[in-house]
Amino acid sequence: RKEVEQDPGPFNVPEGATVAFNCTYSNSASQSFFWYRQDCRKEPKLLMSVYSSGNEDGRFTAQLNRASQYISLLIRDSKLSDSATYLCVVRVEYGNKLVFGAGTILRVKS
Amino acid sequence: DVKVTQSSRYLVKRTGEKVFLECVQDMDHENMFWYRQDPGLGLRLIYFSYDVKMKEKGDIPEGYSVSREKKERFSLILESASTNQTSMYLCATQEHGTGELFFGEGSRLTVL
Repeated sequence: RKEVEQDPGPFNVPEGATVAFNCTYSNSASQSFFWYRQDCRKEPKLLMSVYSSGNEDGRFTAQLNRASQYISLLIRDSKLSDSATYLCVVRVEYGNKLVFGAGTILRVKS
Repeated sequence: DVKVTQSSRYLVKRTGEKVFLECVQDMDHENMFWYRQDPGLGLRLIYFSYDVKMKEKGDIPEGYSVSREKKERFSLILESASTNQTSMYLCATQEHGTGELFFGEGSRLTVL
């Protein structure tokens, strides 16, 4: 079983739609969680950290469910510019090692 | 802004050649990482370093080595390139407090 698993998609949604991605992780001792965004042929960049209480940044909401070992990302009112690959990232207990999911592709169409 | 610079964006090498991929950062971060990214597999950690002259194996170190002679520079070396090392290679530094990774633009290596 992979340490971090994501639905690869692609998710094809119209502009203005709400879309949600889930990510599961296998190490129950994982400490920190992140969503990164990667545009086509570009490097990954941090989108947002995921806190235990859940957090929101504009149209983006991230949630953590430790009991079920998953994190989620909700995007409201999708824009064309949201089209990208979204990477779920988990920081394991030891050291500073981050483990990446394979990514979920989002395509927002007009 | 953090700047992570990878020396080559695109390289084409032949099987058996020695390949150097260089990464330089300007933010005085101690932690540096080398990943490779392949379709369907995501980013996989090759090697990392928490300090000068220190290195640790990641998940897929076979066929690779690294060098960290200066804090700002972390080099990935393929001693004898093979076709299965054709990939996108990404260098990253890590901010100590938040754990956020900052990536270079990547080096796309093709081994023929």
